[in-house]
Amino acid sequence: EAEVAQSPRYKITEKSQAVAFWCDPISGHATLYWYRQILGQGPELLVQFQDESVVDDSQLPKDRFSAERLKGVDSTLKIQPAELGDSAMYLCASSPLPRAKGATDTQYFGPGTRLTVL
Amino acid sequence: AQKVTQAQTEISVVEKEDVTLDCVYETRDTTYYLFWYKQPPSGELVFLIRRNSFDEQNEISGRYSWNFQKSTSSFNFTITASQVVDSAVYFCALSEPRNTGGFKTIFGAGTRLFVKA
Repeated sequence: EAEVAQSPRYKITEKSQAVAFWCDPISGHATLYWYRQILGQGPELLVQFQDESVVDDSQLPKDRFSAERLKGVDSTLKIQPAELGDSAMYLCASSPLPRAKGATDTQYFGPGTRLTVL
Repeated sequence: AQKVTQAQTEISVVEKEDVTLDCVYETRDTTYYLFWYKQPPSGELVFLIRRNSFDEQNEISGRYSWNFQKSTSSFNFTITASQVVDSAVYFCALSEPRNTGGFKTIFGAGTRLFVKA
């Protein structure tokens, strides 16, 4: 069964250090999402890609966060420098390309990367 | 504006009891989708169901059932004869079309379900 892959599963870092997370979506899925989930809350969208293009990064703290999906397949999310408040679960999801106007697609999630900033 | 409210923060039941998780949403769109996801302790969100705004037919899948009522903007989830393995956090989500194409999804805060043996 196809799955969304993420690595690492856990990351502990000190504040002001740089961290990077990787996501490989389900093969053939054109849409990729990065979410941040703070403990006790629901996931919040950070950035959404359609192929290699950013569809929405309005909630991405661009002074320290960056995301790319250069070839429209896998993606990297980077934080530099990390701050204490960045401690959270970072979830990646993917969905197939909408095939017709008005269609939507279910998002399938990876296992997440749990980040702890000390 | 989009909004999803899951008023129940935590629910605790004894195994074999039925339990209903509430979800109330707000949207100005006539076309939208509603979802339920399960998040077990391992952390991965598992898709359970998707419903579009034009289909109010209730759905049953094994011990799971969903009640979609547009009149009250609710999409409630019932687990019949709960089991310990149902213990997890359950999220309701709303997806609306973007002006620029595609959809934007927001999640509720989740309901943590404890099922005791």
